[in-house]
Formats: sequence, structure tokens, C-alpha cells
Amino acid sequence: NAGVTQTPKFQVLKTGQSMTLQCAQDMNHNSMYWYRQDPGMGLRLIYYSASEGTTDKGEVPNGYNVSRLNKREFSLRLESAAPSQTSVYFCASSESQNNEQFFGPGTRLTVL
Amino acid sequence: RKEVEQDPGPFNVPEGATVAFNCTYSNSASQSFFWYRQDCRKEPKLLMSVYSSGNEDGRFTAQLNRASQYISLLIRDSKLSDSATYLCVARRGGFKTIFGAGTRLFVKA
Repeated sequence: NAGVTQTPKFQVLKTGQSMTLQCAQDMNHNSMYWYRQDPGMGLRLIYYSASEGTTDKGEVPNGYNVSRLNKREFSLRLESAAPSQTSVYFCASSESQNNEQFFGPGTRLTVL
Repeated sequence: RKEVEQDPGPFNVPEGATVAFNCTYSNSASQSFFWYRQDCRKEPKLLMSVYSSGNEDGRFTAQLNRASQYISLLIRDSKLSDSATYLCVARRGGFKTIFGAGTRLFVKA
């Protein structure tokens, strides 16, 4: 089992460019999450998907969109990247809302 | 004020020392609590859940004080491999999981 995988591992964008971060899990988990981690801020929830076919905003959703493509995959899209979106992005999954969250290795994004 | 607050450290301790981390949470609706460990430039991984009665896992002991809205993690007999950042986590119910910014620990030989 690969667990939670994320692509790409690193990305540099210019302001205004768009990109999609990909996430997949092979644990048959129902719930998936996107977080960002900034120095001194801890991880903050951007969006989550409680189950296939549903998505909801987290704490910091502005500037992002998500798609739960199927049970395995949950993508995060930046339509028009801004320097404030420079961060490390983690995808996570859990069997349900009450269970342990398993994290992917992260994507380090820099927006110039 | 952050909903989950931790002393950022760093804590620098010798091998074999006992070290304690504290965490406070401000939302009394928080229902469940966890400690995660994060190595440098890696993803967070669950260390242990925190129960009202307190719980122990080998050298690690977690305590919860709901009245004071306070969570602690005690590490006994520190190892070099314990060097990491420890994240305190409070879950309010539903999917509202709040992470603290983390406490850095360096264990030195």
C-alpha cells in the first residue's frame, strides 16, 4: 500500500498562473482533506470531502477549488496563484471523521 | 488568539531526559484530542490520541484536563530519534480539526 500520494512534490509558479495538485489514497478511506502549513501557523484546513461526491470549505478556502474525482482521488486547484499561497500543501485521508488522518508527503509550492 | 496554542520551543534536552509539552485549547466544544509528530520536511504522523483518563504508550504519556482546557505530552528517557516537532490537535466534531503550530524538540547525545 502506498498510502496517500501527492504530485508534484515541488512547484514554482508565477503570480496569476494556475495549477492543480493531485492526491490519491489506496486505503479505501471515505474522507479526504487538503491542508496548508505555514511557519508559525500550524496546519490549516482548506477544503475537505466527507465522502465521495461531497466537498466542503474548511478554515481557509479562498483562492482554491477542489474536486473529489472518485473515492481515491481529491484534487486542489489554484485558479490564479498569488504569493500568499506560497506554502506546503498536505493531503490527508481518514476512514471517517472520527478516525486518524493519514497524510501524504506534501507539495512545496512557491509563487513568485 | 489561536484556538490551539503550544510553546514553539525549541526544547533542547540531553538523551535520557524527561521532557513535557503543554498545549491549551480555547474552544470548549472540542471533543477529541491528539498528538502528532512531524519530522523535518515530512508529513505529520499520529503519535497518540489523548483520553480524559490519560493514556500511556511506552515512554509517552498524554493527559487531558477538560476543566483547564489543557493537554500535555510527557516523554521519558528521551532518545535521539525523538527529535521532531510535536503537534497538538483538537477536534471539535464533524471535520473541524485544529492543529497547533507545534513544539520543536532536539535531543542531544
